[in-house]
Amino acid sequence: DTGVSQDPRHKITKRGQNVTFRCDPISEHNRLYWYRQTLGQGPEFLTYFQNEAQLEKSRLLSDRFSAERPKGSFSTLEIQRTEQGDSAMYLCASSSLADNTGELFFGEGSRLTVL
Amino acid sequence: AQSVTQLGSHVSVSEGALVLLRCNYSSSVPPYLFWYVQYPNQGLQLLLKYTSAATLVKGINGFEAEFKKSETSFHLTKPSAHMSDAAEYFCAVSPGNQFYFGTGTSLTVIP
Repeated sequence: DTGVSQDPRHKITKRGQNVTFRCDPISEHNRLYWYRQTLGQGPEFLTYFQNEAQLEKSRLLSDRFSAERPKGSFSTLEIQRTEQGDSAMYLCASSSLADNTGELFFGEGSRLTVL
Repeated sequence: AQSVTQLGSHVSVSEGALVLLRCNYSSSVPPYLFWYVQYPNQGLQLLLKYTSAATLVKGINGFEAEFKKSETSFHLTKPSAHMSDAAEYFCAVSPGNQFYFGTGTSLTVIP
């Protein structure tokens, strides 16, 4: 296991289409996070899971966004009816409950472009 | 409430010069503090973290940061900049289960 992996790395879609991103965290990590990053900004928190439970969702996460982590391993982030404002880098990160600092390990990100 | 302020969205230094990237935090609990670096089209990579063991923290690639509680600061420094240090740097504070990132500082290294 070499780290957090995300797929796809790049996605170009037309407005109104649905897209889904996948994240595979470091295998022993209990916590999994989704962040969104736009140009020139820091990562903005979207949601996080502890094992399969979604414990917190940001107000940024509109009802067009849904995230799952069905077996407490990989996670998916789906965006329905995409809008141009959804264009961003979507970052996944994981951490271990055993690390009380909460250090995050990030994937390379999935860049979404909505035309 | 936790938050981070990074002063200076863009910093330029000459190769070989001192790098100083500023970060001030606000936290209602003793914080864990982090610096991450991001190269173009990549995810964030941890540079260093403060976990209350020592106020001066050494990280990768020659970077270090000093936690100053009286100033609520956690500035990042490197004695001599290299061209390869050009990247985006993010300061973050964590109470343990959530991260709050600053808006980032873009470092340019001039040859």
